[in-house]
Amino acid sequence: QVQLQESGPGLVKPSGTLSLTCAVSGGSISSSNWWSWVRQPPGKGLEWIGEIYHSGSTNYNPSLKSRVTISVDKSKNQFSLKLSSVTAADTAVYYCARDTYGRVEQWLEYYFDYWGQGTLVTVSS
Amino acid sequence: SSELTQDPAVSVALGQTVRITCQGDSLRSYYASWYQQKPGQAPVLVIYGKNNRPSGIPDRFSGSSSGNTASLTITGAQAEDEADYYCNSRDSSGNHRVVFGGGTKLTVL
Repeated sequence: QVQLQESGPGLVKPSGTLSLTCAVSGGSISSSNWWSWVRQPPGKGLEWIGEIYHSGSTNYNPSLKSRVTISVDKSKNQFSLKLSSVTAADTAVYYCARDTYGRVEQWLEYYFDYWGQGTLVTVSS
Repeated sequence: SSELTQDPAVSVALGQTVRITCQGDSLRSYYASWYQQKPGQAPVLVIYGKNNRPSGIPDRFSGSSSGNTASLTITGAQAEDEADYYCNSRDSSGNHRVVFGGGTKLTVL
């Protein structure tokens, strides 16, 4: 059973950089899966931030791309998120999750099958 | 369009059947996945692919798709099904973006 656990500061100052790590257990980060960050502002919906493959390839949400860096550390079986120039609008619960892709005939499947418990990051001075 | 559209709120009487829908151009290429989220908890995958349930998800949850619309059906809704439900897929326009619907708040009366 794959488990993901987010960690990092719960409070970040405006204009600073948010840094979180997701530790993966019960499975290898070098599997044929991508690994994502998703966030949820208080009382709002889910927003995908970006994803990384164990090779280091990344895809980012275009709306956040200029401020986001996702990296992987295979030796520690973990991946990380950095979000720069944060404002109060970046206050949210941040989740890490495992992506799974598939194809069934002409259809494509895509889903997050494992999630971390989430960590609240507040941007405030 | 890369967006997924859901009704903000739906209600169902206890034991009745409810359908939650999700519309978007990407659903012509991708099966939607569906997540249940209860207050203070992480999302939980309930349906993926054509109509697949992860282990532990009751068989009253089912999924279907037609054209640009995906549906999550709960047959015989229970009080514990009251939650927010989100659909999800990738943008099919080739920009690698992942998209979520805005979520549907399900109330079980």
